[in-house]
Amino acid sequence: ETGVTQSPTHLIKTRGQQVTLRCSSQSGHNTVSWYQQALGQGPQFIFQYYREEENGRGNFPPRFSGLQFPNYSSELNVNALELDDSALYLCASSLITGETQYFGPGTRLLVL
Amino acid sequence: AQSVSQHNHHVILSEAASLELGCNYSYGGTVNLFWYVQYPGQHLQLLLKYFSGDPLVKGIKGFEAEFIKSKFSFNLRKPSVQWSDTAEYFCAVNLRGGFKTIFGAGTRLFVKA
Repeated sequence: ETGVTQSPTHLIKTRGQQVTLRCSSQSGHNTVSWYQQALGQGPQFIFQYYREEENGRGNFPPRFSGLQFPNYSSELNVNALELDDSALYLCASSLITGETQYFGPGTRLLVL
Repeated sequence: AQSVSQHNHHVILSEAASLELGCNYSYGGTVNLFWYVQYPGQHLQLLLKYFSGDPLVKGIKGFEAEFIKSKFSFNLRKPSVQWSDTAEYFCAVNLRGGFKTIFGAGTRLFVKA
């Protein structure tokens, strides 16, 4: 059973740029959620995808967008990067929405 | 507004001491409750969860948590901690069948050998 993987592990961008983060769900999981974790805080829910459709969204602006593919892998795109977007971005997959989530190692983004 | 509060940001204990980490939530409706743990250098992983039934739930590594509905609390306990319990612990809540999980800010536990 393959766990949740994320790429890249870390990257540095400058303000105004765009970034794409990738996630491969655990085998058999059709639900993926993305979280932003700032230093010293808990994960903050960005959005969830279920069977390639956005299933729900947290309090993040539209410049945070996502995709889920037929193989249930997923992308998080952030446009017009701001300094405050610097954080650890976590992907989590689950078999059913609201159930136990399995987290990836995260991508650490630094915006300069 | 929906929120999860963890009372302690940092806890330092000696081995064999008892542990209790507080978690309170503000959430309308029927909830699912979770404790996740992140050991140094590892991913977030599930420690235990409560969906329904017996409000005292047992998880891995000797941890347990009690759901007290009247107090909107889901405190985590362990009778005797070990050095290997050093980690960050997160309480999380979602609405039954809901898509959004809210996490607390986390508690960093350091156990002295």
